Amino acid sequence: EAGVVQSPRYKIIEKKQPVAFWCNPISGHNTLYWYLQNLGQGPELLIRYENEEAVDDSQLPKDRFSAERLKGVDSTLKIQPAELGDSAVYLCASSPGGLPDTQYFGPGTRLTVL
Amino acid sequence: QQQVKQSPQSLIVQKGGISIINCAYENTAFDYFPWYQQFPGKGPALLIAIRPDVSEKKEGRFTISFNKSAKQFSLHIMDSQPGDSATYFCAVARGGTYKYIFGTGTRLKVLA
Repeated sequence: EAGVVQSPRYKIIEKKQPVAFWCNPISGHNTLYWYLQNLGQGPELLIRYENEEAVDDSQLPKDRFSAERLKGVDSTLKIQPAELGDSAVYLCASSPGGLPDTQYFGPGTRLTVL
Repeated sequence: QQQVKQSPQSLIVQKGGISIINCAYENTAFDYFPWYQQFPGKGPALLIAIRPDVSEKKEGRFTISFNKSAKQFSLHIMDSQPGDSATYFCAVARGGTYKYIFGTGTRLKVLA
């Protein structure tokens, strides 16, 4: 079974530029998460989707971050404009739902903002 | 406010030894306690998890010990191997919200 796929794996951009990350969850997983992981820290939830609906986006900085999950499968996370402090690893995870909620993580996208 | 405190920050163990990582939480509403293992350049992967209705769960060389009254849980890695060298994260969650709160991680190095 294929795992969670993310691209790109690495991205280097200048500050104030836009950037987008793509995630393809495990087939059949209706729940999708985007996490932010700073160096030496645990992942922090940005947004959670149930199918196409963003059911928890309370931690998403909406002034510059946006996300979408069209057709309830793939998802894109966008930052516009990027700031120096956005340098981090952006992780996507998916889960099949039910309890307990086992989340399966992708390899992440490492973003460097110069 | 940090809802889950993980210690130690780093740990060095000899091959064959026991690695112990601890986590403490505040909110008694949490009812799911997973441990994740993360290798460099990879995403976290579920290692083992426990619910509060049991005090211990063992899977191979990995054991979770859970102390509900103390609001603490720990990961024990028996017969630690160099391949276990990774960063380990505890997490807490309330089943109804699916929202994981992760600890700050423990970097484990097992010496050959």
